[in-house]
Amino acid sequence: DQQVKQNSPSLSVQEGRISILNCDYTNSMFDYFLWYKKYPAEGPTFLISISSIKDKNEDGRFTVFLNKSAKHLSLHIVPSQPGDSAVYFCAASGLAGGYNKLIFGAGTRLAVHP
Amino acid sequence: SQTIHQWPATLVQPVGSPLSLECTVEGTSNPNLYWYRQAAGRGLQLLFYSIGIDQISSEVPQNLSASRPQDRQFILSSKKLLLSDSGFYLCAWKGGTWQRAFFGQGTRLTVV
Repeated sequence: DQQVKQNSPSLSVQEGRISILNCDYTNSMFDYFLWYKKYPAEGPTFLISISSIKDKNEDGRFTVFLNKSAKHLSLHIVPSQPGDSAVYFCAASGLAGGYNKLIFGAGTRLAVHP
Repeated sequence: SQTIHQWPATLVQPVGSPLSLECTVEGTSNPNLYWYRQAAGRGLQLLFYSIGIDQISSEVPQNLSASRPQDRQFILSSKKLLLSDSGFYLCAWKGGTWQRAFFGQGTRLTVV
C-alpha cells in the first residue's frame, strides 16, 4: 500500500529546459508535502515543501504545485542545470499513531544533459 | 553543527548471517530517530522510530529489530538475514520539522 507514488523512475531533460517531476498521494490527511534531492553516496537533503492549504510554493528555480482534488503534486525546475542531476524524492508528512510520519515515494532520477 | 553518520555505505552478507547497521547523531540531544528501507521500485518505507533511549516503535512486522542504547545512537539489527532484507537502508533524525531533518548517506545491503 504505497501512499505516495512517483510513477516515473527516470527523466531526461536538456539543459535550460523545464524539468517536471510528478507525485501522487492517496491520504487526504497529509499536512505537508516535501521534495528531497539525493546525490550518490549522500543522504537526501530538503529542497522545497508546500503546506496542504497552499497550491503553489516557489523558491528560485524550483516551484511546487499542489492539486488537492487530484491528490497530485509536481516539482518544476526552470531552467534545468546539469547540477540538478540527482534522484528526487517526493514525501508527505502527517500525524499518525501519535507522531509525525514522513512517507516517501520511490524517487525519480533526473538527468540534465548539455 | 548537527550531523548524522551512518555506516557502512555498502554491505554484502550471506543469508542467515547477522546484521548490525549503526547510526549516530552529533550536535543535538534527544533527537527523534528513524530507520527507513527502500526495496527495489518502492518508496522509502518506515521501519522503526525512536523518541528516546530504549523507546522504539516498529512500523511493520519483519525480520529486523532496532535498539537505542544511547541518546544519539540508533542501531538496526537482524539475527539471521533473509534474501528479502536486501535493500537501501536510511537513518534519519528530525529535531523539529521534516524540513530540518538530516539523513544519513544510506547503506546498500545485498543479501546473497
